[in-house]
Amino acid sequence: GNSVTQMEGPVTLSEEAFLTINCTYTATGYPSLFWYVQYPGEGLQLLLKATKADDKGSNKGFEATYRKETTSFHLEKGSVQVSDSAVYFCATIQGAQKLVFGQGTRLTINP
Amino acid sequence: DTEVTQTPKHLVMGMTNKKSLKCEQHMGHRAMYWYKQKAKKPPELMFVYSYEKLSINESVPSRFSPECPNSSLLNLHLHALQPEDSALYLCASSLGGTGRPDTQYFGPGTRLTVL
Repeated sequence: GNSVTQMEGPVTLSEEAFLTINCTYTATGYPSLFWYVQYPGEGLQLLLKATKADDKGSNKGFEATYRKETTSFHLEKGSVQVSDSAVYFCATIQGAQKLVFGQGTRLTINP
Repeated sequence: DTEVTQTPKHLVMGMTNKKSLKCEQHMGHRAMYWYKQKAKKPPELMFVYSYEKLSINESVPSRFSPECPNSSLLNLHLHALQPEDSALYLCASSLGGTGRPDTQYFGPGTRLTVL
């Protein structure tokens, strides 16, 4: 089945640093790809998504591009803030309804 | 309204208790989901309802019993749980009905502790 592998971290950065969290996928065809974020003590929020190759998803300063050549969907942000501290999950879809998540990357931003 | 709500927020139960988790959405979505998330792990799919019918059961033990009374509500009935069932239980919903993947929106979860 479809799967994703992401860097597990934890990742610790200083405020205003550049962020990259790597995610690669294994899939039949080109399934939709997602980044979800989970703040402490909360559920998951959709951060961004891409539904086909070469699509770029973006939200709140975060970006990720669906690259079929490298089977990747890396998450980037140019200048992180303390409020970005959370766990980030890369995910793909199996069939039409089963979300398959990576292991999650815990991000801590220090002031 | 783009919100999925879950009650209760926290639940502590003994192994002989019967309890229920509730999930509600008013986005007109026709697909609803239960996920289980253990500490420091990603969510794992348990059940999917499409148009109020169970469409996916990921081989979940029978001590978990889902119910979808209408298109806006999803329940998870719990009975004779084990301590290892302690986890965050997340509900999600999506538009559904298209046969194509669509975005799932999650609730805040119920944190369950089984003593």
